[in-house]
Amino acid sequence: SAVISQKPSRDICQRGTSLTIQCQVDSQVTMMFWYRQQPGQSLTLIATANQGSEATYESGFVIDKFPISRPNLTFSTLTVSNMSPEDSSIYLCSASLTSGRLAVGAGELFFGEGSRLTVL
Amino acid sequence: QQPVQSPQAVILREGEDAVINCSSSKALYSVHWYRQKHGEAPVFLMILLKGGEQKGHEKISASFNEKKQQSSLYLTASQLSYSGTYFCGTALRDDKIIFGKGTRLHILP
Repeated sequence: SAVISQKPSRDICQRGTSLTIQCQVDSQVTMMFWYRQQPGQSLTLIATANQGSEATYESGFVIDKFPISRPNLTFSTLTVSNMSPEDSSIYLCSASLTSGRLAVGAGELFFGEGSRLTVL
Repeated sequence: QQPVQSPQAVILREGEDAVINCSSSKALYSVHWYRQKHGEAPVFLMILLKGGEQKGHEKISASFNEKKQQSSLYLTASQLSYSGTYFCGTALRDDKIIFGKGTRLHILP
């Protein structure tokens, strides 16, 4: 299993500012992902954090708005840039370990507790 | 492509059974089920691989029909602790999971 720590757990930000969320995993994982979840809504995949290279973004998400880093196997950051009230959400870091029966990346997802951002 | 879950919400009395369905228009590699309680992170329940396998977790089991690209989650003799939102996640490739909109399950004593 993997334990994921995220910080900050919550923050209130001003419009136009940027905030970086940190994600630390207690073991080496193969895949790391960033999701966004509006209260009461589904989990929307923002991007796959790739170690040592540019993240892979999903449709509707761009690097200039959500720059992501993953310098090693256990740490990743997500920055929400030039924030607007529409960016108010819970941002979740998740990680996957390789399963013996599955190819890399399709294993169980572990989630951090999330970072609740409120943009005024 | 986001999988489609049904129903959107279910209200049960303790001890009753429920079925939650998940379907996709794409050929799936695997189906994942998670439960999220209010204010908490999603928690993994099980993974099903293509091949029509069925798995169980306590009184919760699931099936995956590869031909129909459908999966169902079965909750039998539901307990109060089963309350929460259930998400199915589908993997088209083996590297990322896309989640459905979720099914809210509320268990009454």
